[in-house]
Amino acid sequence: AQKITQTQPGMFVQEKEAVTLDCTYDTSDPSYGLFWYKQPSSGEMIFLIYQGSYDQQNATEGRYSLNFQKARKSANLVISASQLGDSAMYFCAMRDGAGNMLTFGGGTRLMVKP
Amino acid sequence: DAGVIQSPRHEVTEMGQEVTLRCKPISGHDYLFWYRQTMMRGLELLIYFNNNVPIDDSGMPEDRFSAKMPNASFSTLKIQPSEPRDSAVYFCATSGGGYQGEQYFGPGTRLTVT
Repeated sequence: AQKITQTQPGMFVQEKEAVTLDCTYDTSDPSYGLFWYKQPSSGEMIFLIYQGSYDQQNATEGRYSLNFQKARKSANLVISASQLGDSAMYFCAMRDGAGNMLTFGGGTRLMVKP
Repeated sequence: DAGVIQSPRHEVTEMGQEVTLRCKPISGHDYLFWYRQTMMRGLELLIYFNNNVPIDDSGMPEDRFSAKMPNASFSTLKIQPSEPRDSAVYFCATSGGGYQGEQYFGPGTRLTVT
């Protein structure tokens, strides 16, 4: 059963606008962590942001924020003031329970238009 | 600080040959993960180690794949014999564990088996 779902295979956003990338997850464990990674065309995987299931506030890191809706099991990534360099694949991932393994979604390709 | 180091960055080999991929983790990180990325299957965890001990190898596709971590600063993933369907990007990632346990990825090895 798929644990992480990213329903948007590709998205366009105008430079300087905000964009939301969707991620839904499935777990029965009350303790879990959610991650977002960026993979530019050069291929490396870059860690962006983390949200713990018990965290009271939505995570933020610079222009990245995580819209965490626990009841809906969603952890959407919001990028504010998009830049051309934000064009990349974005992956949502989950670690559940006390484990250390990450399960990744299929990714969303974001393209920023000048 | 140096990140995760992988070698080689690119490998082209003929079917039936042995392939060895190498990874040097970030110093002090106790967890090491090997992933494979393909267009068809996305990012898949193959195996992970904690303190040099293999913890979960359920993602290793078959007996042709083996991984070792002889010490805290080195790991190998070996494919013998290689097949064209093994063509993929192989990532090594490491983590210091802890509350977040975010994983930091190496640049990957792009393997092509002809």
